[in-house]
Amino acid sequence: KQEVTQIPAALSVPEGENLVLNCSFTDSAIYNLQWFRQDPGKGLTSLLLIQSSQREQTSGRLNASLDKSSGRSTLYIAASQPGDSATYLCAGGMDTGRRALTFGSGTRLQVQP
Amino acid sequence: DADVTQTPRNRITKTGKRIMLECSQTKGHDRMYWYRQDPGLGLRLIYYSFDVKDINKGEISDGYSVSRQAQAKFSLSLESAIPNQTALYFCATSDRQGNQPQHFGDGTRLSIL
Repeated sequence: KQEVTQIPAALSVPEGENLVLNCSFTDSAIYNLQWFRQDPGKGLTSLLLIQSSQREQTSGRLNASLDKSSGRSTLYIAASQPGDSATYLCAGGMDTGRRALTFGSGTRLQVQP
Repeated sequence: DADVTQTPRNRITKTGKRIMLECSQTKGHDRMYWYRQDPGLGLRLIYYSFDVKDINKGEISDGYSVSRQAQAKFSLSLESAIPNQTALYFCATSDRQGNQPQHFGDGTRLSIL
């Protein structure tokens, strides 16, 4: 059974700092890896999707990497802003027919102005 | 308009009541999913459907049932609600290949007294 772990559970940084969020998974038979952002009382917004054949994806100030052999993914946020404050969830899509996602419990990020 | 719409957004009800949560999508996706999120935890899969005639149990299906009325509609029912089903419920969709990000609704916050 796939298990996804996110460390740290919470993080507070000053504005402008570069930061890394970590995600680890136990089963390397992963189809893709998604990073989501969740704002309080809101649904999930997909940030980046990395297919199993890819090593990384970039969107603006965000960069996500995937290392299947070590069971790890990282989300790098450059020059953090207060508007980045949210909970960040990673989720692994298993290489099975259902293509459902197994989620980590998230990292709650607070960027201080 | 939202691509994935969930109704109601909030619901408070009593133990033993039957409740239906509804989800509709305009993405044209074949696959639809129901997840629940508990505080401090990631999302867990309840049920998923590949098309109108294909419905499957997820990790935590006990106490829930679903109906796929059409390609665009997927409803979740709690036959006899209990307090530990109090949670945030999300509907999601994905394309047939699973190569694109899953798209989530804004969630239904359900409280069972």
